[in-house]
Amino acid sequence: QVQLVESGGGVVQPGRSLRLSCTASGYIFSYYAMHWVRQAPDKGLELVAFISSDGRIDSYADSVKGRFTISRDNSQNTLHLQMNSLRTEDAALYYCARDQGGPEGGFDLWGQGTLVTVSS
Amino acid sequence: DIHMTQSPTSLSASVGDRVTISCRASQSISSFLNWYQQRPGTAPKLLIYAASRLHSGVPSRFSGSGSGTDFTLTISSLQPEDLGTYYCQQTYNSPAWTFGPGTTVEIK
Repeated sequence: QVQLVESGGGVVQPGRSLRLSCTASGYIFSYYAMHWVRQAPDKGLELVAFISSDGRIDSYADSVKGRFTISRDNSQNTLHLQMNSLRTEDAALYYCARDQGGPEGGFDLWGQGTLVTVSS
Repeated sequence: DIHMTQSPTSLSASVGDRVTISCRASQSISSFLNWYQQRPGTAPKLLIYAASRLHSGVPSRFSGSGSGTDFTLTISSLQPEDLGTYYCQQTYNSPAWTFGPGTTVEIK
């Protein structure tokens, strides 16, 4: 079954850290670039981070640059998002998503999301 | 950064109606435009990529058109399961892709 399953969300105080994981199954993980997308309560979608299929290239939204780090372990079919110095505005449902590739891209597979709450 | 806008913000239509949602980019993005559907309480799903290509498994009542800065998502005959929020996304400015703010579709 082709799927992505996120984990690692929870309640954390401002300034603390959290590490999210996304486990892929049912397809060759190393073939695809991956993304983290977040959605604050009753808000739209925000692309947080991108990583290339081989892990050599990454990029971040300005809102998280310098605080978040995306990584992947192709031998374990897992994607990670290390979130440091968390702020209240980082509270959201975090999705991992697969990039289907090609020049136009498109995120063709999404996980169910993991919820991050930042509160003192 | 490329800024995306959508109109309307929300709409209410009856089953069987033809529904159109517009998306505009702040600069030309050729055909690097995707559409997603997000039903309440679920993750987004890819509907259309490259402005007009139907993603695998998506019903043929969905179609996309446009190029440059102006794009349209059309549902030819609205069905009850089509309720939700629809987002456009540009993938021209790689990898700084951006989403539109969304259009919420309600069923009358």
